[in-house]
Amino acid sequence: NAGVTQTPKFRILKIGQSMTLQCAQDMNHNYMYWYRQDPGMGLKLIYYSVGAGITDKGEVPNGYNVSRSTTEDFPLRLELAAPSQTSVYFCASSKQGTGELFFGEGSRLTVL
Amino acid sequence: GDSVTQMEGPVTLSEEAFLTINCTYTATGYPSLFWYVQYPGEGLQLLLKATKADDKGSNKGFEATYRKETTSFHLEKGSVQVSDSAVYFCALIGGQGGKLIFGQGTELSVKP
Repeated sequence: NAGVTQTPKFRILKIGQSMTLQCAQDMNHNYMYWYRQDPGMGLKLIYYSVGAGITDKGEVPNGYNVSRSTTEDFPLRLELAAPSQTSVYFCASSKQGTGELFFGEGSRLTVL
Repeated sequence: GDSVTQMEGPVTLSEEAFLTINCTYTATGYPSLFWYVQYPGEGLQLLLKATKADDKGSNKGFEATYRKETTSFHLEKGSVQVSDSAVYFCALIGGQGGKLIFGQGTELSVKP
C-alpha cells in the first residue's frame, strides 16, 4: 500500500527560485491537505481541497499555490522562495472531512 | 476561530511511569477531537479520536475523554514504554468538517 506519497523528500533552494512539491494518494480520497511544520509551532494548514477542481486557503497560504486536476494528485507550488518558507511540508488525505487524515512522510525544504 | 492548546514539552519520563498530556480547545458547535502521534522522521498517524461529549477514545494503551464542560481532551497512559517516545498532537475538526486544526505538539521522551 503506497498511501500518500510525497516527492522530493529533501530540497535546497536559493532565494527567489521556484519549485513544486508533489503529492499523490492511491486511496481514492476526496479531501487533500498541505501543512507546514515548524519547530515548536505545530502544523499550520496551507491549502486544502475537497475534490478535483476545488481548492481553498488555509491559515498560511501566502507564497504558495495549489491545483487539483485529478483526485489522486495535489501539487504545492512555491513561487519566489524565501527563507521563511524553510520548513517541513506534509501532504495528507482523507476520505471525507472527518478529521481522520493519512499523512505522507514529509518534504524538508531549506531556502538559502 | 477554533484553536487547540497543549501543554508545553518536552516531557521526560522513566519507563512504566504514568503519562498525562493536557489539551484544551476553543471551538464553536460540536467539534470532533483527535490525538495524532509523530515518531522520529515520520509523518503523523492517528492515535485515537472522540466525536461527541463524554466519548472515550483509546488505542495502544492510550486514552482520552472528551470533556465538554472543561473543553478538554487530555491524553493518558498508565505505563509508558521507551517506544512511546514521539511528538503528540491534539487536534480538532469543527462540526461542519473540512479543516483539521492542530495544537503545537508535545514531545515525549521515555528513558529506560
